[in-house]
Amino acid sequence: QSALTQPASVSGSPGQSITISCTGTSSDVGGYNYVSWYQQHPGKAPKLMIYDVSNRPSGVSNRFSGSKSGNTASLTISGLQAEDEADYYCSSYTSSSTLEVFGGGTKLTVL
Amino acid sequence: QITLKESGPTLVKPTQTLTLTCTFSGFSLSTSGVGVGWIRQPPGKALEWLALIYWNDDKRYSPSLKSRLTITKDTSKNQVVLTMTNMDPVDTATYYCAHRRIAAPFDYWGQGTLVTVSS
Repeated sequence: QSALTQPASVSGSPGQSITISCTGTSSDVGGYNYVSWYQQHPGKAPKLMIYDVSNRPSGVSNRFSGSKSGNTASLTISGLQAEDEADYYCSSYTSSSTLEVFGGGTKLTVL
Repeated sequence: QITLKESGPTLVKPTQTLTLTCTFSGFSLSTSGVGVGWIRQPPGKALEWLALIYWNDDKRYSPSLKSRLTITKDTSKNQVVLTMTNMDPVDTATYYCAHRRIAAPFDYWGQGTLVTVSS
């Protein structure tokens, strides 16, 4: 069982917006602004999409945005495109000895 | 340009020790703040952080696997080595190495290497 809770799947039509949630505790998501989001296409390595809750690395589309409220972080993808279909994982720094925890992953389907 | 690549056996037997090497370029593990970590992903399952080593030889391990893991670095060869003892079929996974800085995410990842544990 993953330390951070994500919905198993979400879906949306091209052009729509979707939001993926990531729920943790005050020891991880809620306690630090060190939440990251990764995109993973089948057979590929994860790609960093969001870091420090809401920052985008250079080259990542501004259709991707992140936010946090309490112990829950969220990834929003606007203007859905077919290429966005992938698995998405959140991660957070944690004050426990684990150091870093990942979510269970969310499969995004673009209808 | 930062790149990382994992190498090691694709098949190990139960109870054996796994040794994986991460060979990287585009950065130095002697640079302050830089680290390399290992993350694994069983087939069809989620990512799991395993271990991390920093430029100053500070090492961190997943508590659940700490007794089985050892991470080391060879700065002159631009390599990080992960050993995992007493392998079990549940350790079958794709193993990734990745670059990070202190208080920053894993921003560059290797392509991953699939390790199967089977007799």
